[in-house]
Amino acid sequence: QKEVEQNSGPLSVPEGAIASLNCTYSDRGSQSFFWYRQYSGKSPELIMFIYSNGDKEDGRFTAQLNKASQYVSLLIRDSQPSDSATYLCAVRVPGGYQKVTFGTGTKLQVIP
Amino acid sequence: DARVTQTPRHKVTEMGQEVTMRCQPILGHNTVFWYRQTMMQGLELLAYFRNRAPLDDSGMPKDRFSAEMPDATLATLKIQPSEPRDSAVYFCASGNADQPQHFGDGTRLSIL
Repeated sequence: QKEVEQNSGPLSVPEGAIASLNCTYSDRGSQSFFWYRQYSGKSPELIMFIYSNGDKEDGRFTAQLNKASQYVSLLIRDSQPSDSATYLCAVRVPGGYQKVTFGTGTKLQVIP
Repeated sequence: DARVTQTPRHKVTEMGQEVTMRCQPILGHNTVFWYRQTMMQGLELLAYFRNRAPLDDSGMPKDRFSAEMPDATLATLKIQPSEPRDSAVYFCASGNADQPQHFGDGTRLSIL
């Protein structure tokens, strides 16, 4: 089992819809969770982080964490074509100081 | 905005040549990471440093790769001798105890 798993996609959603991206992790001791957005040919860009169970909202983005079920998700409301990118889930490794493990990413396509 | 600075942005060289990639972390960040990204493997952690000391370089081929932090403002990743399979995008990221990692723009390396 991979430490951090994501569906590679592509996930296609129409413009204006809600995009839901999911990530599961294997280490129950994980405490910190991050979402990065990566446009083609560019570097990963941090868009959200969450440390506590529940929801965290920032603009059109909501991160959701459920430690009991070991999953973290990212919701993008009112999806725009500019949201089309690969979204990487990252989980901080317990005891690894700031070391994180990245998932392989989910490619999101927002169709105009 | 504070940024991680990587040089060079692009490098094309012949196999067998030495390659040196440089990274200037964000001022005040005490942890520096080197990643390699390919289509096949995704984002792989090669090595990381805390307060200039190497914490983990288990992801790095030791026979040809070396990573150092001569001072707090400079991290280097060297490949000697380079091979075509080293062709990838190499990212540097920096962070702090309570700060998520932020990535540089990367070095796109092609070994012919």
